Amino acid sequence: AQSVSQHNHHVILSEAASLELGCNYSYGGTVNLFWYVQYPGQHLQLLLKYFSGDPLVKGIKGFEAEFIKSKFSFNLRKPSVQWSDTAEYFCAVNAGYNQGGKLIFGQGTELSVKP
Amino acid sequence: GAVVSQHPSRVICKSGTSVKIECRSLDFQATTMFWYRQFPKKSLMLMATSNEGSKATYEQGVEKDKFLINHASLTLSTLTVTSAHPEDSSFYICSAPKGLEAFFGQGTRLTVV
Repeated sequence: AQSVSQHNHHVILSEAASLELGCNYSYGGTVNLFWYVQYPGQHLQLLLKYFSGDPLVKGIKGFEAEFIKSKFSFNLRKPSVQWSDTAEYFCAVNAGYNQGGKLIFGQGTELSVKP
Repeated sequence: GAVVSQHPSRVICKSGTSVKIECRSLDFQATTMFWYRQFPKKSLMLMATSNEGSKATYEQGVEKDKFLINHASLTLSTLTVTSAHPEDSSFYICSAPKGLEAFFGQGTRLTVV
């Protein structure tokens, strides 16, 4: 069975600090990878996605993620966080092209950015 | 783009009653939709896959008789929480795929009192 693991439950950073959130998945076949953000009281928003091609993908709001197939990882990064990045971040996996839209989510990482 | 609308956004119901939540794809058709449940401070748990024209597929541990799913058309799926109890209180989210990407509804906060 597929699973997604996010290593950090709660991350606290000061503004301008660099961010890296870990995400590992378990599935041996073709995967599509996503990072979603959920701001307090709001619904999920897509930050970025990886389907194929360049393993370094850029998303909205200055976020990027790198797919490392050999490590089954898809870590999220941002060079300099802002207070407005305070939110819950979810890594998600969709396994295979015949599973379009069916996502398995990681546990989520709560990011708190101190001004 | 692709828009998924979920209704209602919030609902409070009495214990023992049933609640229906609607999920609509507004500008595209979806033969499948997905229903998730999110507990406070927790991740999203896939509950079931809604299939247009056939029965829903439930994930292990999800009660089929408690959470009734009907995919009435190519743009509408409904989740009915039957005989709701306080432990059913949660945030329910639907999604519909377009290609390889999932588009999420705004979610429904269900409170059972």
